[in-house]
Amino acid sequence: DAGVIQSPRHEVTEMGQEVTLRCKPISGHDYLFWYRQTMMRGLELLIYFNNNVPIDDSGMPEDRFSAKMPNASFSTLKIQPSEPRDSAVYFCASSLYPGIYGYTFGSGTRLTVV
Amino acid sequence: QQQVKQSPQSLIVQKGGISIINCAYENTAFDYFPWYQQFPGKGPALLIAIRPDVSEKKEGRFTISFNKSAKQFSLHIMDSQPGDSATYFCAASLRQGGKLIFGQGTELSVKP
Repeated sequence: DAGVIQSPRHEVTEMGQEVTLRCKPISGHDYLFWYRQTMMRGLELLIYFNNNVPIDDSGMPEDRFSAKMPNASFSTLKIQPSEPRDSAVYFCASSLYPGIYGYTFGSGTRLTVV
Repeated sequence: QQQVKQSPQSLIVQKGGISIINCAYENTAFDYFPWYQQFPGKGPALLIAIRPDVSEKKEGRFTISFNKSAKQFSLHIMDSQPGDSATYFCAASLRQGGKLIFGQGTELSVKP
């Protein structure tokens, strides 16, 4: 298996623009997680899905952030409009069963908003 | 009660030494405790995990020690090598839960 695939690896955008991050989980994994990592706040859970259904979105910072999982093999995280404080590394992770197997993380998308 | 507290924030160890990272939790219902290793530019990767029914688990140079009564667990890296230099995260989860609760991370540097 190719693992969790995220795209793009790097994104530089201007403040106010829309940004879309993409994730392909490992086939057969029922759970998908979006995390944000910064030096100040560490790893923050933004949202997670189980069987394509959002279960917990309490970590989504504000209405500018939205996430979708239209099918078992694809998820997006959208920021509109983007702000400089959104600059971070965004990770997607998937799992067959987190409490037994943990997560497999993707390589992340480094977002810079200027 | 959902927090996992990790210390130290950073650690410098000489090559061949023992690296020790500690974590503490509050929720006694947690029953899965993994450790993740993250190299620069990469996502965290599962290193080793333990359940509360055992007090220790060893995989190569990496050992988790678990103290259920104290609600603490720690990662020991024996014979630390420069290639072990990375950020380490502890985490905790409920078997029935859908997410891991991560500690704040420890940046380990192993000096040659």
